[in-house]
Amino acid sequence: NAGVTQTPKFQVLKTGQSMTLQCAQDMNHEYMSWYRQDPGMGLRLIHYSVGAGITDQGEVPNGYNVSRSTTEDFPLRLLSAAPSQTSVYFCASSYPDRNAEAFFGQGTRLTVV
Amino acid sequence: DAKTTQPTSMDCAEGRAANLPCNHSTISGNEYVYWYRQIHSQGPQYIIHGLKNNETNEMASLIITEDRKSSTLILPHATLRDTAVYYCIVRVRNNDMRFGAGTRLTVKP
Repeated sequence: NAGVTQTPKFQVLKTGQSMTLQCAQDMNHEYMSWYRQDPGMGLRLIHYSVGAGITDQGEVPNGYNVSRSTTEDFPLRLLSAAPSQTSVYFCASSYPDRNAEAFFGQGTRLTVV
Repeated sequence: DAKTTQPTSMDCAEGRAANLPCNHSTISGNEYVYWYRQIHSQGPQYIIHGLKNNETNEMASLIITEDRKSSTLILPHATLRDTAVYYCIVRVRNNDMRFGAGTRLTVKP
């Protein structure tokens, strides 16, 4: 069982560069989300999706884009990386039932220099 | 979403029960209480959740007060591997969870 797979695990970017963080799940979950976690803090929601073709903003969406063309994949794009986006990024997925647990990936540690 | 309040840190002796409190005084009737933990910098791991009744699974027990304004996560026999940050989350839907700073639990030998 792969669960939620994030790639890459580590990435260093220069300011202004763009990149895409990949997230894939093999559990046929409709709900997928992206979070960021800064040192010593809890996770903050960036964007989420309730199904293919549907996305919405979370708490901290600025500087990030998402799309959901398939149920399995939910990539997160940084359009022009800034040092303030240095963080650990987590992807999560779940069934839509509010009585269902969410599964998290192992994270992507991003450093913007 | 209801706001939660947790102690910043707690210690527990190995083999003893760890009781982690959470206050959620503004919880609504249809909001579940979820507990997750994060070991080192790994992805959060689901522990347990409940609505009104107390719940138990292979990892922990969740005790929710009758007025639902607070809850306690109980790890019955804490081990060193239970050292982690524990998050209490109150949420209507599961996909959009708002994490606070959590409680850093340190299990000591």
